[in-house]
Amino acid sequence: RKEVEQDPGPFNVPEGATVAFNCTYSNSASQSFFWYRQDCRKEPKLLMSVYSSGNEDGRFTAQLNRASQYISLLIRDSKLSDSATYLCVVNGGGGFKTIFGAGTRLFVKA
Amino acid sequence: GAGVSQSPSNKVTEKGKDVELRCDPISGHTALYWYRQSLGQGLEFLIYFQGNSAPDKSGLPSDRFSAERTGGSVSTLTIQRTQQEDSAVYLCASSLASGSYEQYFGPGTRLTVT
Repeated sequence: RKEVEQDPGPFNVPEGATVAFNCTYSNSASQSFFWYRQDCRKEPKLLMSVYSSGNEDGRFTAQLNRASQYISLLIRDSKLSDSATYLCVVNGGGGFKTIFGAGTRLFVKA
Repeated sequence: GAGVSQSPSNKVTEKGKDVELRCDPISGHTALYWYRQSLGQGLEFLIYFQGNSAPDKSGLPSDRFSAERTGGSVSTLTIQRTQQEDSAVYLCASSLASGSYEQYFGPGTRLTVT
């Protein structure tokens, strides 16, 4: 089992749609969690941190479920500019250990 | 403030030659990471530094790869006797410290070995 797993997609959604991605992790001692987005041929950029209580940033909502060991990202009212690959990142669990998921590709269509 | 910078942005080299890739982290960030990403693939962890020390070198693919960091700032990744399978984008990231902090990436160096 991979330490961090994501559905690779692609997710093809129309503008205005709501889309959700999940990411599961295997190390129960993991301490911090993030979502990054990566545009084609660009570097990953931090989208948002994921807090235990859940957090929202505009159209984006991130949640953490420690019991089931997954994090989620919800995008509401999708825009064409949301088209990208979304990377789940899990930190901690005994010293340094940062694991990037392989990413979920999202295509938002007009 | 200035972000993470990397140089060169592109490097084409002949098989068997050595290459050096450079990373300038965000000022004040003590942790620095190197990753590799092949076309259409996920990030592959190579090595990280906390200060000038490299506690985890487990991701280096072979002994042809080495990295150093001096003065707790600039880092260089050296690949000796390059092979075609080394062709990839090499990404550097930095964070306030190792562990639970978010990482900020540079634009990467695209390496092509012919």
